[in-house]
Amino acid sequence: DTEVTQTPKHLVMGMTNKKSLKCEQHMGHRAMYWYKQKAKKPPELMFVYSYEKLSINESVPSRFSPECPNSSLLNLHLHALQPEDSALYLCASSQMGLAGGLYEQFFGPGTRLTVL
Amino acid sequence: AQTVTQSQPEMSVQEAETVTLSCTYDTSESNYYLFWYKQPPSRQMILVIRQEAYKQQNATENRFSVNFQKAAKSFSLKISDSQLGDTAMYFCAFMRIYGQNFVFGPGTRLSVLP
Repeated sequence: DTEVTQTPKHLVMGMTNKKSLKCEQHMGHRAMYWYKQKAKKPPELMFVYSYEKLSINESVPSRFSPECPNSSLLNLHLHALQPEDSALYLCASSQMGLAGGLYEQFFGPGTRLTVL
Repeated sequence: AQTVTQSQPEMSVQEAETVTLSCTYDTSESNYYLFWYKQPPSRQMILVIRQEAYKQQNATENRFSVNFQKAAKSFSLKISDSQLGDTAMYFCAFMRIYGQNFVFGPGTRLSVLP
């Protein structure tokens, strides 16, 4: 059983819609991540939050807007998406070590997003 | 920049047999972590095994073991007594000791045949 949960499991949205993906972790981790994964490809990092502050943004388009309300929750707000944004969106969390380094990541089950 | 290569896009193995998945990486770092993740058709990414580069002993988790060759920058995964539930995409991943993100390999699709 995963200790990282994501909702919804599936989402279909039009290009003019606004929607949000939600992620919650129950392991006391202080770092959380959003990844985008296309079929048969490895996950691509979008955002990293450590101690609820955005620490890495891999040049993701502004139509994706992350939010970290607290150390257990991570949201991804979606607006004016394109059909090529259709993918599996994975959330992950990890512990943080001394000097800010991170340990192995634990992934949620993902949200399958389809943009029409 | 680090890169991770998995030279076998697809592999298959008979149930109960042993299979080895290869992974090589390129880095100038001396301390780092290496991981194998499994992603079955359900799409959940599951950590299989991790290895710290400063440890010479190869990591083992039940039927899964690694052959870590630091000088050769090689990190292969051996699956013993393969089971149908091992059918999945397997990703090798690299992370610097004080890093904040993974570098994933392209993946190897493993099919376990009955």
